[in-house]
Formats: sequence, structure tokens, C-alpha cells
Amino acid sequence: GDSVTQTEGLVTVTEGLPVKLNCTYQTTYLTIAFFWYVQYLNEAPQVLLKSSTDNKRTEHQGFHATLHKSSSSFHLQKSSAQLSDSALYYCALSEGTNKVVFGTGTRLQVLP
Amino acid sequence: EAAVTQSPRNKVAVTGGKVTLSCNQTNNHNNMYWYRQDTGHGLRLIHYSYGAGSTEKGDIPDGYKASRPSQENFSLILELATPSQTSVYFCASGASGLGYEQYFGPGTRLTVL
Repeated sequence: GDSVTQTEGLVTVTEGLPVKLNCTYQTTYLTIAFFWYVQYLNEAPQVLLKSSTDNKRTEHQGFHATLHKSSSSFHLQKSSAQLSDSALYYCALSEGTNKVVFGTGTRLQVLP
Repeated sequence: EAAVTQSPRNKVAVTGGKVTLSCNQTNNHNNMYWYRQDTGHGLRLIHYSYGAGSTEKGDIPDGYKASRPSQENFSLILELATPSQTSVYFCASGASGLGYEQYFGPGTRLTVL
């Protein structure tokens, strides 16, 4: 079946420095869509950005990600981390069957 | 105005008791989902539904039942609650088709003693 892998459980970065959260996947489907969800403390997950186009950069709220089907990846990046970015981030895969597969999540901790 | 609501928000149950978690959405989405969230496991799909009257098993359905009596409502039922079902449960709704995100409710914290 489909799977999404987020290798880092916790990423710690100093405010103002760049950050990258890794996400790779396995699927047999050719037509797929990817999402990054963010969950702030004591809140529900909400979508941060999404993409279904290979090699096209998607941006939102200072974050960006590019779906690379050649390497099965959809890494999330930001050039300058802010204290308010501290949260739990989920990568998720949709292959059109209305079922979404989530990764295990990466907690981002931004330190002053 | 919240489009996905859950009740109760907090619940303490006894082992062997019956627990019903309710979810309501005003997005008019066909699809609804129940997840549980545990540290180290992320969001795991329990049951989902394509529309009123339908329920499908997710990745971890054992010990849970679901009911979708209408477009707006989707319930998760624990017939015989166990301490291992202590968790935070999220309901979500989403439109059909590729590329549509899910909208989550605020979550229910369930403790089974």
C-alpha cells in the first residue's frame, strides 16, 4: 500500500535560520496530490500547502515545497524560521480514492 | 464559524463501557473521516465514509464502529472501551476527488480508565 515517511520526529532550529522538513513516499499511482498540514499546540491540523504538479514550487505563508516524482519527495522548506512556526507538521498523500495517507509527523521547535 | 464540530470535547470512560463520539460538518462534503492521534504514530485512520449510509474501514478499525446517518453527521462508536483506546480523536471532512484537502474538527480527548 501507499506510505509516507517523515524521518525526523523533532527538528530544532534557531530563529532566522533556514529549516527543511523531509517527506518521502511510496505509491503505485501515477496521479497523486500532496499536502503539508500544520498543527499548532491544542489546535486541529490545517492545510498549509498542497501540490499535484511535478517539479512545480508551491508557496504559502513563507513555506515552500516542490513535488519531485523522480525522487518521490515533497520536502517543506522555509528560508527564515520564526518562533510562531513551532508546531507539528504532517506530510500527506492523496491518490484519488478519497483516502489520505499521513506521515507520522515532525515537530518543529524554533528557538530564540 | 466552525465547519466541523465534535462532541464531546473531553470524555472519561470506564473500561468495558460504550462510548460514542459525534461529528457534524456544514461543508456539504461527501467524505468524512475519523482519526486518532498518538505521539509517535501521527494521525491514523480508523473509519471513513463516502456519503450517507456508507462506512469503510481505515487502517486501524479493530474495536471501533462508525455510523453515517446523514451527509452532516458521522459517529465513532466504541462498544467496549479499553485503556488502549485512550487518545485524541479527530473528525475531518473533505470533498471527493484528487487534490482536495481535509478540514478537521477540534478533536475529542478520550480517557479510558
